[in-house]
Amino acid sequence: SQKIEQNSEALNIQEGKTATLTCNYTNYSPAYLQWYRQDPGRGPVFLLLIRENEKEKRKERLKVTFDTTLKQSLFHITASQPADSATYLCALAYPGNTPLVFGKGTRLSVIA
Amino acid sequence: GAVVSQHPSRVICKSGTSVKIECRSLDFQATTMFWYRQFPKQSLMLMATSNEGSKATYEQGVEKDKFLINHASLTLSTLTVTSAHPEDSSFYICSARGGGGLETGELFFGEGSRLTVL
Repeated sequence: SQKIEQNSEALNIQEGKTATLTCNYTNYSPAYLQWYRQDPGRGPVFLLLIRENEKEKRKERLKVTFDTTLKQSLFHITASQPADSATYLCALAYPGNTPLVFGKGTRLSVIA
Repeated sequence: GAVVSQHPSRVICKSGTSVKIECRSLDFQATTMFWYRQFPKQSLMLMATSNEGSKATYEQGVEKDKFLINHASLTLSTLTVTSAHPEDSSFYICSARGGGGLETGELFFGEGSRLTVL
């Protein structure tokens, strides 16, 4: 079965620096790889998705890369702010109306 | 973006009672909704896929008689935890796809329901 690993359970970073989170998966590549943000006690919120034929996607201070050879996605937050502190989840999506497969998430803390 | 509403956000019940959680898609129709459960510091674990007008599809290890799912309309799915026990205490989250999400796989999540069984 497909397995997803997010590099670390927690990541602390200084305000203003770039945070980089890693998502690795086994087996077959998904059609889409998605990133969500989850705040404590709340449901996840969609941030970005990247297709299997795309290398990089950007949205404001966020950047996602997707390497199907390495079976890895990197999620970057540039000029990080304390408000970026949250848990970030990666998820794999396959064609059709199939459920997403989520990683455990990385809890990011941006320290002022 | 599409909105999914979940109710109640918090519920405390006694062991042995049943609890119903509602999930509504507010501005789109969802033929399929997904129910997840999340324990502290754990990933979202898919419990079941709820299909409008038909039986839900449960993931391995999830008791269908304990977690009753009803998807009676295109905008409402309910999860009933029957005869709840303390080990059922968890964060239950529903999700659905709408609009562009059907092509990209993007999910819209409810706010989640925190269940505490005493």
